[in-house]
Amino acid sequence: GENVEQHPSTLSVQEGDSAVIKCTYSDSASNYFPWYKQELGKRPQLIIDIRSNVGEKKDQRIAVTLNKTAKHFSLHITETQPEDSAVYFCAAPTGTASKLTFGTGTRLQVTL
Amino acid sequence: DSGVTQTPKHLITATGQRVTLRCSPRSGDLSVYWYQQSLDQGLQFLIHYYNGEERAKGNILERFSAQQFPDLHSELNLSSLELGDSALYFCASRAGLADTEAFFGQGTRLTVV
Repeated sequence: GENVEQHPSTLSVQEGDSAVIKCTYSDSASNYFPWYKQELGKRPQLIIDIRSNVGEKKDQRIAVTLNKTAKHFSLHITETQPEDSAVYFCAAPTGTASKLTFGTGTRLQVTL
Repeated sequence: DSGVTQTPKHLITATGQRVTLRCSPRSGDLSVYWYQQSLDQGLQFLIHYYNGEERAKGNILERFSAQQFPDLHSELNLSSLELGDSALYFCASRAGLADTEAFFGQGTRLTVV
């Protein structure tokens, strides 16, 4: 399979709360899992990625966890700020591994 | 600045016409990906080239074609344009085939009227 499913599609949190976005993938050969942030009208930009040889990676307020057995990975944002408001996409290599398939996106809204 | 350059930034054209979108990857990157993003939609994979060769195809319409040239820049050709082809077209480049960051260009916004 070559699907990457992402949930939720929209997420609203109050400033300072945590946000969690989850993705599942179907290609067991996938070994690289990036997360991209896309602000309105701009290009997607990588915020964090994880490779299959580790289960968790942190970068300040952002962390990603990976469960290869269950084929899912999650993005965790702590102490959310208004500037975190954007659309977040997960991705995974699928098929021949040269395709980079993106999830459907999560629109995160951080309210004051 | 990601180092990936797309031209033009904006394009307005009529139905039935043909356009060419251009992408220059980051220096040294061999892989170029093309994605289509319709309004408030996700990133739909179109096609991937590596060092001049087509490596993977997504749900790309037969009216669309692409190529990667010896200098590694890529062009996406869209013909017999329809209103539904209006979208933001991104290209992304990465150094190789697998676990490295893909860098996106700023996109070409195509409007078909």
